[in-house]
Amino acid sequence: EPEVTQTPSHQVTQMGQEVILRCVPISNHLYFYWYRQILGQKVEFLVSFYNNEISEKSEIFDDQFSVERPDGSNFTLKIRSTKLEDSAMYFCASKTSQGAGGTEAFFGQGTRLTVV
Amino acid sequence: AQTVTQSQPEMSVQEAETVTLSCTYDTSESDYYLFWYKQPPSRQMILVIRQEAYKQQNATENRFSVNFQKAAKSFSLKISDSQLGDAAMYFCAYRSARGTYKYIFGTGTRLKVLA
Repeated sequence: EPEVTQTPSHQVTQMGQEVILRCVPISNHLYFYWYRQILGQKVEFLVSFYNNEISEKSEIFDDQFSVERPDGSNFTLKIRSTKLEDSAMYFCASKTSQGAGGTEAFFGQGTRLTVV
Repeated sequence: AQTVTQSQPEMSVQEAETVTLSCTYDTSESDYYLFWYKQPPSRQMILVIRQEAYKQQNATENRFSVNFQKAAKSFSLKISDSQLGDAAMYFCAYRSARGTYKYIFGTGTRLKVLA
């Protein structure tokens, strides 16, 4: 069964450092997403990406964040200068496009980011 | 803006019994999708069941079923014959049928299954 793959599973970084979280979406999917879940809290939408550009972003997704699909298979989330409050689980998701909304999104297993 | 509310932070059920998790949502749209996701301790998001708003029939997946009340904007999950492996965090989620198809999640309900 196809799946969304995220690497690394756990990343520890110093405050102020840049991190790149990587995702390999399902190959025929067209919509890509990043979500964040701070420990004990709900899953929050960060950004959606379609047709090689950001289609929507939340208030959380400020100038410190960027996304890229550099080679047609990977989908990355970069945090330029990490803060303690960026510590969270980050989920990548992808979705195909069929009819009026298509199927559900498939989520990766998440990357746990710890900023120290 | 759409919102999703789960008013039960935690629920417990005896093994083999039935439990219902509640979810309400608010939207002005007529076409949308609703989902229940399970998040075990590994924290992976696993789809349990989905419901298309245009379908009147409630979705079922083996021991999992929903009670979808569109007018009341209610979407509860019923787990029958609960098993120890059902213990997890359960998130209700809304997704529009148009736009960017982003998910809006509720705050989750932690389900404990007692042996």
